[in-house]
Amino acid sequence: DAKTTQPNSMESNEEEPVHLPCNHSTISGTDYIHWYRQLPSQGPEYVIHGLTSNVNNRMASLAIAEDRKSSTLILHRATLRDAAVYYCILRDVARDDKIIFGKGTRLHILP
Amino acid sequence: DTGVSQNPRHKITKRGQNVTFRCDPISEHNRLYWYRQTLGQGPEFLTYFQNEAQLEKSRLLSDRFSAERPKGSFSTLEIQRTEQGDSAMYLCASSLERNTEAFFGQGTRLTVV
Repeated sequence: DAKTTQPNSMESNEEEPVHLPCNHSTISGTDYIHWYRQLPSQGPEYVIHGLTSNVNNRMASLAIAEDRKSSTLILHRATLRDAAVYYCILRDVARDDKIIFGKGTRLHILP
Repeated sequence: DTGVSQNPRHKITKRGQNVTFRCDPISEHNRLYWYRQTLGQGPEFLTYFQNEAQLEKSRLLSDRFSAERPKGSFSTLEIQRTEQGDSAMYLCASSLERNTEAFFGQGTRLTVV
């Protein structure tokens, strides 16, 4: 399984943008980059995914490096509700398409 | 559609007993995943299904764990002869097909005493 590396924790002020980094230097050509988050006492929820191009949806933006060895999840205007653990996951859709979680980044939002 | 449903939400059992959890995925979702999560850790992959076929079972999973998805709809996860180390949150997720968004249930919290 391809590995991802994320900081253990990050802090951000409310109403400011947040940039959550993820390194995946061993990414293969068929790995999609997925992000999930887990709010306290809840199951994980999907945030966004992409392959090569940057992606935007109502929750966040995903910026993917040109060499695909890293990516950044961008929350444009953090709220207290965004405090969660954020997981960066590689899904090899040509092989097994398993969803394997690492330890993620715990995001703290300061009011 | 009410999302992924897991039952029971909580289970307390004595060491050595067998337990069974049920997961009802979102209707027409072909893929179903089981995970185990302990405090402070990310969800640990246990097994997954494509319709009724079990595609893979984690190498870390003991033979006391078994999962089924008999008609490609709901799934059950059974743990035989429970041990205290089995205490965890057991999460189920489903997705429509490959590389699509996975939806998670609220989980079943197992406590082995």
